[in-house]
Amino acid sequence: EPEVTQTPSHQVTQMGQEVILRCVPISNHLYFYWYRQILGQKVEFLVSFYNNEISEKSEIFDDQFSVERPDGSNFTLKIRSTKLEDSAMYFCASSGGQGSTDTQYFGPGTRLTVL
Amino acid sequence: GDSVTQMEGPVTLSEEAFLTINCTYTATGYPSLFWYVQYPGEGLQLLLKATKADDKGSNKGFEATYRKETTSFHLEKGSVQVSDSAVYFCALKRNRDDKIIFGKGTRLHILP
Repeated sequence: EPEVTQTPSHQVTQMGQEVILRCVPISNHLYFYWYRQILGQKVEFLVSFYNNEISEKSEIFDDQFSVERPDGSNFTLKIRSTKLEDSAMYFCASSGGQGSTDTQYFGPGTRLTVL
Repeated sequence: GDSVTQMEGPVTLSEEAFLTINCTYTATGYPSLFWYVQYPGEGLQLLLKATKADDKGSNKGFEATYRKETTSFHLEKGSVQVSDSAVYFCALKRNRDDKIIFGKGTRLHILP
């Protein structure tokens, strides 16, 4: 069964450093998403991406965040200058289409620790 | 704004016990409702969904009914197994939005 994969599974970085989290969505999917979960809190939507541009973003997704689909298979989340409060589990997801009936398939997550 | 509230965990049950995990939501309009499950070391997997009032979603012995009058989507299973131990997330999505709004998750432990 096709699945979403994410690398690395755990990333440790120093405050102020840039990090890039990588995701390989399901191959025939068109919509891509990032969510995050701070320890003990809810899973929160960050951004959705379609046709090489951001479709929707939350207020969390400020100028320090960016997303990119650099080639036909990868989807990345970049955090330009990490803060302590960026420590969280980051989930990538993809779906075949938009709309409530289209299931979003999630990856296993990348745990980001900012020291 | 829209939100999902689910019962606090952890929930610990013996094998073959009856399971209920409560979930209520606040949303304008008619969102679709979901239960996702996260097994240890894995991603969020869709367990079941319902897209309109009175729909019942079901999968792997789990069921949940979309109750608009009580704004609820409680998860039930008649006889749980040790392999059901996981974190369960209730969630909603409005048709016009991309984002899924999740509850905090409920950790379920099943004892043999």
